[in-house]
Amino acid sequence: AQSVSQHNHHVILSEAASLELGCNYSYGGTVNLFWYVQYPGQHLQLLLKYFSGDPLVKGIKGFEAEFIKSKFSFNLRKPSVQWSDTAEYFCAVINNNDMRFGAGTRLTVKP
Amino acid sequence: SQTIHQWPATLVQPVGSPLSLECTVEGTSNPNLYWYRQAAGRGLQLLFYSVGIGQISSEVPQNLSASRPQDRQFILSSKKLLLSDSGFYLCACSSLGFGANVLTFGAGSRLTVL
Repeated sequence: AQSVSQHNHHVILSEAASLELGCNYSYGGTVNLFWYVQYPGQHLQLLLKYFSGDPLVKGIKGFEAEFIKSKFSFNLRKPSVQWSDTAEYFCAVINNNDMRFGAGTRLTVKP
Repeated sequence: SQTIHQWPATLVQPVGSPLSLECTVEGTSNPNLYWYRQAAGRGLQLLFYSVGIGQISSEVPQNLSASRPQDRQFILSSKKLLLSDSGFYLCACSSLGFGANVLTFGAGSRLTVL
């Protein structure tokens, strides 16, 4: 079965710093890739997704992610974080209805 | 758009008691349905998924089972709870067509086994 690795457990940044959260997956076939975000006290919600085409995808709130097939990676980026980006971020991969999530990365942005 | 209802929101049960968590979906038909367990530092662990009525795929051998008696109903059960079953359980759905494979999550059910 496929697996998803998020190497950063907890990231602490100051406002305006740049963000990159790593995500690697193990499956070698065709996959769809996602980043979900969970703000404190809220449901998980979709941040962005990659199905096909341009490997650089843009999501909500200024986030983007780049799919690098040769590296099995789908890293999340934001050039300048805000305090409101404090949340937990989950990378996910789906193949044939089987959707797997990474362990999550907690992002704390200091004002 | 799809809406997921999960209940109960919180549940405290003694070890050895049975469990039934329910999930129903509105706003779509023939969805794929999922049960996840969310644990701090471990992300979301896929427990079961279903692509149709009566069709259940189990990902992790454990004390839990799932059933899908109707198209938009997904139930997580146990005959005898263990302490290790404590956790936060999330139901999710996705549907075919535009936005396929994008999951919508319920609010979750927090289970404490004492």
